[in-house]
Amino acid sequence: AQSVAQPEDQVNVAEGNPLTVKCTYSVSGNPYLFWYVQYPNRGLQFLLKYITGDNLVKGSYGFEAEFNKSQTSFHLKKPSALVSDSALYFCAVRDLSNDYKLSFGAGTTVTVRA
Amino acid sequence: DGGITQSPKYLFRKEGQNVTLSCEQNLNHDAMYWYRQDPGQGLRLIYYSQIVNDFQKGDIAEGYSVSREKKESFPLTVTSAQKNPTAFYLCASRSPQGYEQYFGPGTRLTVT
Repeated sequence: AQSVAQPEDQVNVAEGNPLTVKCTYSVSGNPYLFWYVQYPNRGLQFLLKYITGDNLVKGSYGFEAEFNKSQTSFHLKKPSALVSDSALYFCAVRDLSNDYKLSFGAGTTVTVRA
Repeated sequence: DGGITQSPKYLFRKEGQNVTLSCEQNLNHDAMYWYRQDPGQGLRLIYYSQIVNDFQKGDIAEGYSVSREKKESFPLTVTSAQKNPTAFYLCASRSPQGYEQYFGPGTRLTVT
């Protein structure tokens, strides 16, 4: 079965510093990977996805993610974090046995201090 | 959140009562989903529907029911059989062109 893991429950960074949110995956075939962000008491917002092609994927709000097949990782990055980036971030992977389903990680809470 | 509406935003019910959560989308998506979110547990799939008049159980369907009579609507009923219904419920839909899902704003259900 395919799954994703987010090894850090919380990430704390200072505003203006680089932000990295880690995600590793376990998939037997080619992974389709996604990142979402959730602000308090809101739904999830889609940030970006990797299907195929360039390993560096650019998404919304200045975020990007790097697909690394050898390390089975798909880390989310932002060069310069903003206080407004403070939120809960989820990594997800397509279910290879069912195209309609995604499996989500447990989430990483990001706090950016001013 | 654009294109998917959920109502109400907050819902309070007494134990033993059934309650129905609304989800509507105007994105013309065929597939729709219901998830439950609890602190520290991420999202768990309750039910999903690939097309009108069809739906499948997800990972935690017990105590829930759904219908899909219209493409735009996918209501979720939380029945009295659901042992721990207090949670944040999220509806989503999926574009036929891609695999990403788009989410509504959620309904926070509290049962006492």
